[in-house]
Amino acid sequence: DAEITQSPRHKITETGRQVTLACHQTWNHNNMFWYRQDLGHGLRLIHYSYGVHDTNKGEVSDGYSVSRSNTEDLPLTLESAASSQTSVYFCASRGTVAGELFFGEGSRLTVL
Amino acid sequence: AQSVAQPEDQVNVAEGNPLTVKCTYSVSGNPYLFWYVQYPNRGLQFLLKYITGDNLVKGSYGFEAEFNKSQTSFHLKKPSALVSDSALYFCAVRDSSASKIIFGSGTRLSIRP
Repeated sequence: DAEITQSPRHKITETGRQVTLACHQTWNHNNMFWYRQDLGHGLRLIHYSYGVHDTNKGEVSDGYSVSRSNTEDLPLTLESAASSQTSVYFCASRGTVAGELFFGEGSRLTVL
Repeated sequence: AQSVAQPEDQVNVAEGNPLTVKCTYSVSGNPYLFWYVQYPNRGLQFLLKYITGDNLVKGSYGFEAEFNKSQTSFHLKKPSALVSDSALYFCAVRDSSASKIIFGSGTRLSIRP
């Protein structure tokens, strides 16, 4: 069965370190998204991509970057982790513009 | 700009009673509306969506939602709640002229036996 997987599921890091969260989907979806989930804020969009070599900023993109070198992967990089980036991160993909999102299981990041 | 609001942080319902989780939205064009459910330590799962057509949409696990254009609402409903329905529910909206999906802040549904 097609799926979307995130790794690592849990990570603890220190302020200032670079962190990369991986997202891999086997749906062959062109659209991929990264969200962060925080209490009281629901899900907020960080970055998204509509295809290979396409990346776009979401509403909370400062301090984050993504790259899309193939259809299956959209890694999220925190260039210099900050305590404010402690959160649960979700990757999602979508097959059509009217379609629903398929979510990964999440990556819980703690920045000390 | 598009936005979505879930006015209740928590909804408490007795098992067997009907439940409603409220959602209102604001878009400039025609809305695409979605409901998702999240169980503890899991990703979000799709429940149902409204794109066009019948205002009453049926989805997974016996849930349904009613699109009301005049009230700009898309409330989630179920005729008879189960304890296993206890979870976090998210409403989401997309403007037909845009491509990003915006999520509400979530409503925690608690079903007591």
